[in-house]
Amino acid sequence: EAGVTQFPSHSVIEKGQTVTLRCDPISGHDNLYWYRRVMGKEIKFLLHFVKESKQDESGMPNNRFLAERTGGTYSTLKVQPAELEDSGVYFCASSQANPNTEAFFGQGTRLTVV
Amino acid sequence: GENVEQHPSTLSVQEGDSAVIKCTYSDSASNYFPWYKQELGKGPQLIIDIRSNVGEKKDQRIAVTLNKTAKHFSLHITETQPEDSAVYFCAANDYKLSFGAGTTVTVRA
Repeated sequence: EAGVTQFPSHSVIEKGQTVTLRCDPISGHDNLYWYRRVMGKEIKFLLHFVKESKQDESGMPNNRFLAERTGGTYSTLKVQPAELEDSGVYFCASSQANPNTEAFFGQGTRLTVV
Repeated sequence: GENVEQHPSTLSVQEGDSAVIKCTYSDSASNYFPWYKQELGKGPQLIIDIRSNVGEKKDQRIAVTLNKTAKHFSLHITETQPEDSAVYFCAANDYKLSFGAGTTVTVRA
Protein backbone atom coordinates (compact mmCIF):
# COMPACT_ATOMS: atom_id res chain seq x y z
CA GLU A 1 0.00 0.00 0.00
CA ALA A 2 1.33 3.44 -0.91
CA GLY A 3 2.12 5.84 1.89
CA VAL A 4 1.43 9.55 2.01
CA THR A 5 2.85 11.16 -1.11
CA GLN A 6 3.77 14.80 -1.53
CA PHE A 7 4.65 16.77 -4.64
CA PRO A 8 6.98 18.39 -5.37
CA SER A 9 9.79 17.33 -3.05
CA HIS A 10 11.54 20.67 -3.52
CA SER A 11 10.42 24.04 -4.81
CA VAL A 12 12.39 27.25 -5.20
CA ILE A 13 10.35 30.31 -6.10
CA GLU A 14 10.79 34.04 -6.05
CA LYS A 15 9.06 36.28 -3.59
CA GLY A 16 5.64 37.24 -4.92
CA GLN A 17 5.14 34.08 -6.96
CA THR A 18 2.55 31.39 -6.35
CA VAL A 19 3.26 27.82 -5.37
CA THR A 20 0.90 24.88 -4.99
CA LEU A 21 1.83 21.87 -2.93
CA ARG A 22 0.00 18.60 -3.29
CA CYS A 23 -0.62 15.76 -0.87
CA ASP A 24 -2.07 12.33 -1.62
CA PRO A 25 -3.04 10.66 1.66
CA ILE A 26 -3.24 6.96 2.31
CA SER A 27 -6.35 5.60 0.66
CA GLY A 28 -9.26 5.45 3.08
CA HIS A 29 -7.83 7.96 5.53
CA ASP A 30 -10.48 10.55 6.26
CA ASN A 31 -8.16 12.77 8.30
CA LEU A 32 -5.57 14.86 6.50
CA TYR A 33 -3.25 17.35 8.17
CA TRP A 34 -0.81 19.96 6.97
CA TYR A 35 2.20 20.90 9.09
CA ARG A 36 5.21 23.13 8.54
CA ARG A 37 8.69 23.12 9.98
CA VAL A 38 10.70 26.29 9.75
CA MET A 39 14.47 25.71 10.03
CA GLY A 40 15.42 24.34 13.43
CA LYS A 41 12.04 24.87 15.02
CA GLU A 42 9.13 22.64 15.92
CA ILE A 43 6.76 21.10 13.43
CA LYS A 44 3.73 23.38 13.56
CA PHE A 45 0.16 22.47 12.81
CA LEU A 46 -1.46 24.34 9.93
CA LEU A 47 -4.83 22.70 9.38
CA HIS A 48 -6.90 19.56 9.55
CA PHE A 49 -9.40 18.13 7.08
CA VAL A 50 -11.98 15.49 7.81
CA LYS A 51 -12.87 14.23 4.36
CA GLU A 52 -13.45 17.41 2.34
CA SER A 53 -14.30 19.63 5.30
CA LYS A 54 -11.88 21.88 7.12
CA GLN A 55 -12.09 20.79 10.74
CA ASP A 56 -9.52 23.19 12.10
CA GLU A 57 -7.50 25.82 10.27
CA SER A 58 -6.30 27.68 13.32
CA GLY A 59 -2.65 27.20 12.38
CA MET A 60 -2.82 28.83 8.97
CA PRO A 61 -0.46 31.83 9.13
CA ASN A 62 -2.54 34.29 7.07
CA ASN A 63 -4.83 34.59 4.10
CA ARG A 64 -2.01 34.03 1.64
CA PHE A 65 -2.40 30.33 2.39
CA LEU A 66 -5.31 28.39 0.91
CA ALA A 67 -5.88 24.68 1.42
CA GLU A 68 -8.39 22.53 -0.38
CA ARG A 69 -9.28 18.88 -0.39
CA THR A 70 -11.28 17.98 -3.43
CA GLY A 71 -13.79 15.20 -2.88
CA GLY A 72 -12.06 14.20 0.30
CA THR A 73 -9.13 12.68 -1.55
CA TYR A 74 -5.93 14.60 -2.32
CA SER A 75 -5.25 18.03 -0.89
CA THR A 76 -3.50 21.12 -2.17
CA LEU A 77 -1.92 23.96 -0.25
CA LYS A 78 -1.45 27.14 -2.24
CA VAL A 79 0.70 30.05 -1.16
CA GLN A 80 -0.05 33.28 -3.01
CA PRO A 81 1.89 35.50 -3.05
CA ALA A 82 4.84 33.78 -1.39
CA GLU A 83 7.00 35.68 1.10
CA LEU A 84 10.50 34.92 2.37
CA GLU A 85 9.20 33.75 5.76
CA ASP A 86 7.14 31.04 4.06
CA SER A 87 10.30 29.02 3.48
CA GLY A 88 10.37 25.73 5.30
CA VAL A 89 9.40 22.09 4.97
CA TYR A 90 5.70 21.43 4.55
CA PHE A 91 4.49 18.05 5.74
CA CYS A 92 1.24 16.34 5.07
CA ALA A 93 -0.06 13.54 7.26
CA SER A 94 -3.11 11.34 7.25
CA SER A 95 -4.84 9.06 9.72
CA GLN A 96 -7.80 6.74 9.76
CA ALA A 97 -9.54 8.05 12.84
CA ASN A 98 -9.06 10.77 15.38
CA PRO A 99 -7.90 11.18 18.07
CA ASN A 100 -5.11 9.02 19.36
CA THR A 101 -4.32 7.07 16.24
CA GLU A 102 -1.11 7.01 14.27
CA ALA A 103 -0.63 9.81 11.79
CA PHE A 104 1.43 8.81 8.76
CA PHE A 105 3.62 11.52 7.30
CA GLY A 106 4.73 12.22 3.76
CA GLN A 107 8.35 13.02 2.96
CA GLY A 108 7.64 16.73 2.92
CA THR A 109 8.01 19.54 0.41
CA ARG A 110 10.97 21.83 0.99
CA LEU A 111 9.91 25.31 -0.07
CA THR A 112 12.51 28.00 -0.53
CA VAL A 113 11.36 31.52 -1.28
CA VAL A 114 14.14 33.78 -2.56
CA GLY B 1 -3.45 25.42 23.13
CA GLU B 2 -0.87 22.75 23.80
CA ASN B 3 2.79 23.71 24.26
CA VAL B 4 5.44 20.99 24.06
CA GLU B 5 9.04 21.59 25.09
CA GLN B 6 11.79 19.14 24.19
CA HIS B 7 15.34 18.78 25.51
CA PRO B 8 18.11 18.53 24.58
CA SER B 9 18.19 20.03 21.11
CA THR B 10 21.28 17.97 20.22
CA LEU B 11 22.62 14.77 21.70
CA SER B 12 25.83 12.96 20.84
CA VAL B 13 26.39 9.49 22.26
CA GLN B 14 28.94 6.75 21.85
CA GLU B 15 27.68 3.65 20.08
CA GLY B 16 26.34 1.23 22.66
CA ASP B 17 25.47 3.93 25.20
CA SER B 18 21.94 5.06 26.05
CA ALA B 19 20.18 8.19 24.86
CA VAL B 20 17.41 9.98 26.74
CA ILE B 21 15.19 12.74 25.39
CA LYS B 22 12.74 14.57 27.64
CA CYS B 23 9.56 16.47 26.85
CA THR B 24 7.04 18.44 28.85
CA TYR B 25 3.54 19.46 27.83
CA SER B 26 1.07 22.01 29.12
CA ASP B 27 -2.45 20.77 28.36
CA SER B 28 -3.73 18.19 30.83
CA ALA B 29 -6.36 17.19 28.24
CA SER B 30 -3.67 15.65 26.03
CA ASN B 31 -3.82 11.88 26.24
CA TYR B 32 -1.73 10.52 23.39
CA PHE B 33 2.03 10.97 23.16
CA PRO B 34 3.82 9.71 20.05
CA TRP B 35 7.50 9.86 19.23
CA TYR B 36 8.65 10.34 15.66
CA LYS B 37 12.02 9.72 14.05
CA GLN B 38 13.01 11.71 10.98
CA GLU B 39 15.90 10.60 8.83
CA LEU B 40 17.48 12.82 6.22
CA GLY B 41 15.21 13.40 3.23
CA LYS B 42 12.31 11.53 4.76
CA GLY B 43 9.19 12.44 6.65
CA PRO B 44 8.71 11.78 10.35
CA GLN B 45 7.98 8.15 11.14
CA LEU B 46 6.28 6.92 14.29
CA ILE B 47 8.59 4.79 16.41
CA ILE B 48 6.61 4.42 19.62
CA ASP B 49 3.62 5.97 21.32
CA ILE B 50 2.01 5.95 24.73
CA ARG B 51 -1.45 6.70 25.94
CA SER B 52 -2.34 8.39 29.18
CA ASN B 53 -3.57 5.26 30.90
CA VAL B 54 -0.08 3.72 30.65
CA GLY B 55 3.07 4.78 32.50
CA GLU B 56 5.70 2.97 30.48
CA LYS B 57 5.97 1.14 27.20
CA LYS B 58 8.87 -0.77 25.63
CA ASP B 59 9.63 -1.95 22.15
CA GLN B 60 12.99 -3.69 21.85
CA ARG B 61 15.66 -1.01 22.42
CA ILE B 62 13.29 1.90 22.82
CA ALA B 63 11.06 2.78 25.73
CA VAL B 64 8.84 5.69 26.65
CA THR B 65 7.75 6.79 30.11
CA LEU B 66 4.89 9.13 30.98
CA ASN B 67 4.25 11.07 34.15
CA LYS B 68 0.82 12.68 33.82
CA THR B 69 1.00 14.42 37.16
CA ALA B 70 4.19 16.22 36.21
CA LYS B 71 3.17 16.48 32.54
CA HIS B 72 6.38 15.05 31.20
CA PHE B 73 7.37 12.09 29.09
CA SER B 74 10.69 10.69 27.96
CA LEU B 75 12.19 8.53 25.24
CA HIS B 76 14.95 6.09 26.12
CA ILE B 77 17.09 4.37 23.51
CA THR B 78 19.42 1.68 24.81
CA GLU B 79 22.44 0.12 23.08
CA THR B 80 22.48 2.87 20.49
CA GLN B 81 23.60 2.05 16.96
CA PRO B 82 24.71 4.33 14.09
CA GLU B 83 21.33 3.87 12.40
CA ASP B 84 19.71 5.54 15.42
CA SER B 85 21.23 8.84 14.25
CA ALA B 86 18.30 11.06 13.24
CA VAL B 87 16.07 13.87 14.46
CA TYR B 88 13.55 12.77 17.08
CA PHE B 89 10.32 14.62 17.79
CA CYS B 90 8.00 14.19 20.71
CA ALA B 91 4.37 15.21 20.36
CA ALA B 92 1.24 15.54 22.44
CA ASN B 93 -2.25 15.10 21.07
CA ASP B 94 -5.52 16.40 22.40
CA TYR B 95 -7.12 16.25 18.96
CA LYS B 96 -4.16 17.40 16.85
CA LEU B 97 -0.45 16.85 17.24
CA SER B 98 1.66 19.51 18.90
CA PHE B 99 5.37 18.84 18.43
CA GLY B 100 8.52 19.59 20.31
CA ALA B 101 11.35 21.35 18.49
CA GLY B 102 13.24 18.11 17.86
CA THR B 103 16.45 16.50 19.10
CA THR B 104 19.28 15.76 16.69
CA VAL B 105 20.84 12.51 17.86
CA THR B 106 24.28 11.53 16.63
CA VAL B 107 25.65 8.10 17.46
CA ARG B 108 29.46 8.01 17.26
CA ALA B 109 30.95 4.75 16.07
